[in-house]
Amino acid sequence: AQSVTQLDSQVPVFEEAPVELRCNYSSSVSVYLFWYVQYPNQGLQLLLKYLSGSTLVKGINGFEAEFNKSQTSFHLRKPSVHISDTAEYFCAVSKDAGKSTFGDGTTLTVKP
Amino acid sequence: GAVVSQHPSRVICKSGTSVKIECRSLDFQATTMFWYRQFPKKSLMLMATSNEGSKATYEQGVEKDKFLINHASLTLSTLTVTSAHPEDSSFYICSARPVDRGLGEAFFGQGTRLTVV
Repeated sequence: AQSVTQLDSQVPVFEEAPVELRCNYSSSVSVYLFWYVQYPNQGLQLLLKYLSGSTLVKGINGFEAEFNKSQTSFHLRKPSVHISDTAEYFCAVSKDAGKSTFGDGTTLTVKP
Repeated sequence: GAVVSQHPSRVICKSGTSVKIECRSLDFQATTMFWYRQFPKKSLMLMATSNEGSKATYEQGVEKDKFLINHASLTLSTLTVTSAHPEDSSFYICSARPVDRGLGEAFFGQGTRLTVV
């Protein structure tokens, strides 16, 4: 079985500040890791994914994440956030492009 | 590429009626599709796995007679909410798993907002 824990339910941050959204996972097998963003009343948009290879993954909108196998973490980072980054962020794991297990989400609020 | 289309994006129906939601993979084939439900300010919970040409597999606690799933082709799965009630109001999202799994991910539709009045 797989599980995902997003350690922060809400993260308020000022515009142009750096941000880190934390995600830990547990799985008995190798999994793929994903970060999605959801804007109000919209579907999911893939930010980035880790399948294999380099542990530092770069995604869209200036986001990046680092896979840490020993700590079973996949934290999302952005060096300088914008107001438009305000949204809900979900960390997810899946095995072999199958069903996904999602974390509870982190609400990122960027203040001016 | 790898686009999944859900239709409708929003639907309002009267209590007691049935609503069908379509999930289509537009530029790839998918033997497996997944249906998720998202409650307000909550995460996505897997409802069922839809397999082309066979019966869907439902997660524990999901009523298969209320949420009918049909996966008649490699590009289309449908979710029918039967005898809908206000508590069925939710955001429903599908994802499609490509036959070619080299991309490593399932692709998500944009979701359907169901409101039962």
